[in-house]
Amino acid sequence: SAVISQKPSRDICQRGTSLTIQCQVDSQVTMMFWYRQQPGQSLTLIATANQGSEATYESGFVIDKFPISRPNLTFSTLTVSNMSPEDSSIYLCSGQTGGAYEQYFGPGTRLTVT
Amino acid sequence: GESVGLHLPTLSVQEGDNSIINCAYSNSASDYFIWYKQESGKGPQFIIDIRSNMDKRQGQRVTVLLNKTVKHLSLQIAATQPGDSAVYFCAEKGGSEKLVFGKGTKLTVNP
Repeated sequence: SAVISQKPSRDICQRGTSLTIQCQVDSQVTMMFWYRQQPGQSLTLIATANQGSEATYESGFVIDKFPISRPNLTFSTLTVSNMSPEDSSIYLCSGQTGGAYEQYFGPGTRLTVT
Repeated sequence: GESVGLHLPTLSVQEGDNSIINCAYSNSASDYFIWYKQESGKGPQFIIDIRSNMDKRQGQRVTVLLNKTVKHLSLQIAATQPGDSAVYFCAEKGGSEKLVFGKGTKLTVNP
């Protein structure tokens, strides 16, 4: 398994600003993903973070709003840009090792936009 | 498209009883299924998984059953404990590396 940490654990931000969330894995993983979870809801995939190339976004999510970086096999960032109250959510990253199917999750970042 | 759903949003059991959490999926091409436990304020925690070539898989106090005929998945927890109280999600994977999550069932264990 992989141990995943995220920073910050929570933040309160003003609308119109941007926040960058960091995700660190304790071992190399083949794939990394970013999810959003509204309070009391399930997880929705935002994008797959690709090492050294542009992320692959799911329908309804765009790079200008959620730019993602993945400079190496253990680290990724997600930026929530030009935030509005609708962006208030929990943002989770996950990692998946090569040859395995299971994904391991970080503790999440709780974002509140005022 | 792919979608995974759950039959019951909440489940309340007595401590020591067995719990059964159900999940329906719609993509007959899905070949991998996984159960996660999410406690309040934490990220999802892997519990157990099963591939489509199996009907049953057992772990410590947990069993996952897969019925491909009716596209149904269940998680059985034996001798449920207060620490099992959480939201449980099923997820499926079919044809890609992406997981599709169900809506979640909140399990409450009463002492």
